[in-house]
Amino acid sequence: DQQVKQNSPSLSVQEGRISILNCDYTNSMFDYFLWYKKYPAEGPTFLISISSIKDKNEDGRFTVFLNKSAKHLSLHIVPSQPGDSAVYFCAASANDYKLSFGAGTTVTVRA
Amino acid sequence: NAGVTQTPKFQVLKTGQSMTLQCAQDMNHEYMSWYRQDPGMGLRLIHYSVGAGITDQGEVPNGYNVSRSTTEDFPLRLLSAAPSQTSVYFCASSYLAAGAQAGNTIYFGEGSWLTVV
Repeated sequence: DQQVKQNSPSLSVQEGRISILNCDYTNSMFDYFLWYKKYPAEGPTFLISISSIKDKNEDGRFTVFLNKSAKHLSLHIVPSQPGDSAVYFCAASANDYKLSFGAGTTVTVRA
Repeated sequence: NAGVTQTPKFQVLKTGQSMTLQCAQDMNHEYMSWYRQDPGMGLRLIHYSVGAGITDQGEVPNGYNVSRSTTEDFPLRLLSAAPSQTSVYFCASSYLAAGAQAGNTIYFGEGSWLTVV
C-alpha cells in the first residue's frame, strides 16, 4: 500500500502562472519530505525539501508547504516556466535510509 | 547527474535469463540504493547499502540480489528474469541517510530500461 500519494497524474499550466502540486501521506512517522524533478530519459534530481518541524520552505520560485495535521504537503512554483515541464515526485522519509515516493505528477507549462 | 553511472542503459532479456545492472559512483558516498520505477507506482526501493560489505532489503527485494564489495560499486543482479521485472531501474547514492540532514540530496543515475520478454 502506497504511503505517499500524488492523486493528480498531470497538471497543465500557462507560463507565468502558479503551479500547485499536491501530495498526501499516511505514515505519521515520516519526518522529512522532498520533491524531485525528472525529465524524460534522466534520473530524478533533488528540488526542495522540508523538515517536519517546519511548515514552509522557500527556494527561489519553489515553495513547499507542510500541513502535518492533514498529512499533506504541496509544492508551489511561481512563476511557471517552460523548463519546469517535467515529472515531479513527492518523497518522504522516517529519518532512515529509505525514501517512499509518490507516483508522480506530470507538469506541462504552456507558452 | 553528478557521478552516478549506470550500465547498460537498455537491455532486453528472455524470461529465465540472468543479468547484472551495474552502478558506480565516484563521490565516495557511503549510501547506495536501487529503485525501480513503474507506471502509476513512483519509485520503489529494491535494496540499499550503507557501506562496503553491508546491504539490506527495501520494499520490493524479491528476485534481486546485491553486493557491496567496494564503496564505489553496487551491482544489482536478476537471477532469473521475469516479465514482472520489466521496469526502469535507478541507482542512487548519498553521503548521509536520506532526509536525515536538511539539504541532503540523493544523486540518481540516468536509469536502465529493462524489458523481459
